Amino acid sequence: AQKVTQAQTEISVVEKEDVTLDCVYETRDTTYYLFWYKQPPSGELVFLIRRNSFDEQNEISGRYSWNFQKSTSSFNFTITASQVVDSAVYFCALSEAGGYSTLTFGKGTMLLVSP
Amino acid sequence: GAGVSQTPSNKVTEKGKYVELRCDPISGHTALYWYRQSLGQGPEFLIYFQGTGAADDSGLPNDRFFAVRPEGSVSTLKIQRTERGDSAVYLCASSPQVREGNEQFFGPGTRLTVL
Repeated sequence: AQKVTQAQTEISVVEKEDVTLDCVYETRDTTYYLFWYKQPPSGELVFLIRRNSFDEQNEISGRYSWNFQKSTSSFNFTITASQVVDSAVYFCALSEAGGYSTLTFGKGTMLLVSP
Repeated sequence: GAGVSQTPSNKVTEKGKYVELRCDPISGHTALYWYRQSLGQGPEFLIYFQGTGAADDSGLPNDRFFAVRPEGSVSTLKIQRTERGDSAVYLCASSPQVREGNEQFFGPGTRLTVL
């Protein structure tokens, strides 16, 4: 069975601080995919990134960066110089290969960025 | 182009009533997913359609829940004899093709409240 754990329920930072959201996953598959989604107050889930299990390169996209480490089964997400617009709930999710790409989500981390 | 749309955005019903929730996926997307998100939780998979057929309905909680996608586009999630525990946000997502690890594009959800 697959599982995603986001241990941080809520994080509060002040604008311009860096913040890291943790994600730990469990799966018995050797091929799998990891995702991050953002859910702003409007409620619609917004896709941020996908990584496959064979690509451990870290990725940077603007102020966002992701650190994938298979050795610790983690896929952490860092926002540099946070902004108020980053306030949202962030979900980490996992999908296993060979299935229908259904996503198993963590419980989410609520990020509050204050001015 | 237009994203995934869901109607109604909010539905309030009484215990025991029947409800239908509609999802209109992105045009051309063959894969369609339904998820349910309870307060403070991540979305949980309900059912997946590839074309007109339900390829995986393992997430449906019981036989009061049913979904159809008769023409391979719009889908309707049907809940009979609603219970208070059915209250949640029901999310629909679509994906352009069946390929493992595909990102899913989510709609804004229908918030169902059972009184």
